[in-house]
Amino acid sequence: DAGVIQSPRHEVTEMGQEVTLRCKPISGHDYLFWYRQTMMRGLELLIYFNNNVPIDDSGMPEDRFSAKMPNASFSTLKIQPSEPRDSAVYFCASSRTNSQETQYFGPGTRLLVL
Amino acid sequence: QKEVEQDPGPLSVPEGAIVSLNCTYSNSAFQYFMWYRQYSRKGPELLMYTYSSGNKEDGRFTAQVDKSSKYISLFIRDSQPSDSATYLCAMSVGGQNFVFGPGTRLSVLP
Repeated sequence: DAGVIQSPRHEVTEMGQEVTLRCKPISGHDYLFWYRQTMMRGLELLIYFNNNVPIDDSGMPEDRFSAKMPNASFSTLKIQPSEPRDSAVYFCASSRTNSQETQYFGPGTRLLVL
Repeated sequence: QKEVEQDPGPLSVPEGAIVSLNCTYSNSAFQYFMWYRQYSRKGPELLMYTYSSGNKEDGRFTAQVDKSSKYISLFIRDSQPSDSATYLCAMSVGGQNFVFGPGTRLSVLP
């Protein structure tokens, strides 16, 4: 299995621009998570989906952040407009219902907003 | 007070030492306790998982949970340079909503 795939791996953009991060979960996994990791705040859960339906988006920091999961094999996290404080590593993870303790993380997208 | 506290380190030990990593938490409803390992510029990966209280051993790794003290530990025996990483504790009440600690950075020196 290829594992969780994220793209792009690195993104540098200017303040005010739209940023779209992409994730392909492991085939057969029915949960998908978006996390943000910074030195100051650690690893924070932003939103998670079950069977493509958003279950908990209470971690999404502002309306500038949105996430979609149009099908079982693809999800996006969009930031519009981006701000310098959004600079972080964004991880996507997936898991199965009968193995909830194990979330498989992707390699992350390093975002720098100038 | 943060929901999950963890000494950020860095912690440096010589090869072969026993390493003790710890987390404290405030939410008594947590039932699931995990330890994830994160190498530099990689995503976290599950190392150990424990439900409720007790000990669990897997090779050189032992996880302990003391719910009465709201305290969990990860012990690494015969530590190796390849164990150098950041160790994140994670907890959940049930289901998929994990709360992660900030992580402890460990360096095992050859």
